[in-house]
Amino acid sequence: GQNIDQPTEMTATEGAIVQINCTYQTSGFNGLFWYQQHAGEAPTFLSYNVLDGLEEKGRFSSFLSRSKGYSYLLLKELQMKDSASYLCASLDSNYQLIWGAGTKLIIKP
Amino acid sequence: DAEITQSPRHKITETGRQVTLACHQTWNHNNMFWYRQDLGHGLRLIHYSYGVQDTNKGEVSDGYSVSRSNTEDLPLTLESAASSQTSVYFCASSEDPGTGSNEQFFGPGTRLTVL
Repeated sequence: GQNIDQPTEMTATEGAIVQINCTYQTSGFNGLFWYQQHAGEAPTFLSYNVLDGLEEKGRFSSFLSRSKGYSYLLLKELQMKDSASYLCASLDSNYQLIWGAGTKLIIKP
Repeated sequence: DAEITQSPRHKITETGRQVTLACHQTWNHNNMFWYRQDLGHGLRLIHYSYGVQDTNKGEVSDGYSVSRSNTEDLPLTLESAASSQTSVYFCASSEDPGTGSNEQFFGPGTRLTVL
């Protein structure tokens, strides 16, 4: 079956670093997405990885290991506005996104 | 600027009524998707379309239907609303695979309550 696992909730301190992990098992694989979703809003695109390795984009980085079915999103220099849910999604062989339930990130001052 | 819009943003209806949620995109994307989002679940695919006159069932399609008469619009119809269909509904669109980033662009969502 198809499955995406990520922690339900994480807490971190303003200014710190946090890593949100995601493991996936899908029918075929065409890449791994991370989206950010603030409460009451639509998901917005953060990153897309299709090759192994780390992709850095400002304060956010995303890592992929295809052989391990594993990805993580790394957020540096946390700001209060980073409080949101972070959604991991795998693009399967039919180019459909299979979504995890999301990780709610709480930032404390 | 290209965008994807949904209407209404909020809707309260009664059990058994037919409800249609609108989705309109100006990205000129062939691919359009409808999801529902419930607490504790990831986004779940209801229906999707890869082009005009093409529609396909997703993971949770029972009780829902869509039609695609043009590129811009994919309305979602709840044929006989049930309380289990109380949810937040998101529409999304994307380019064809292999032509772009495969990123899906989301509308602002419709919060539907079925009493």
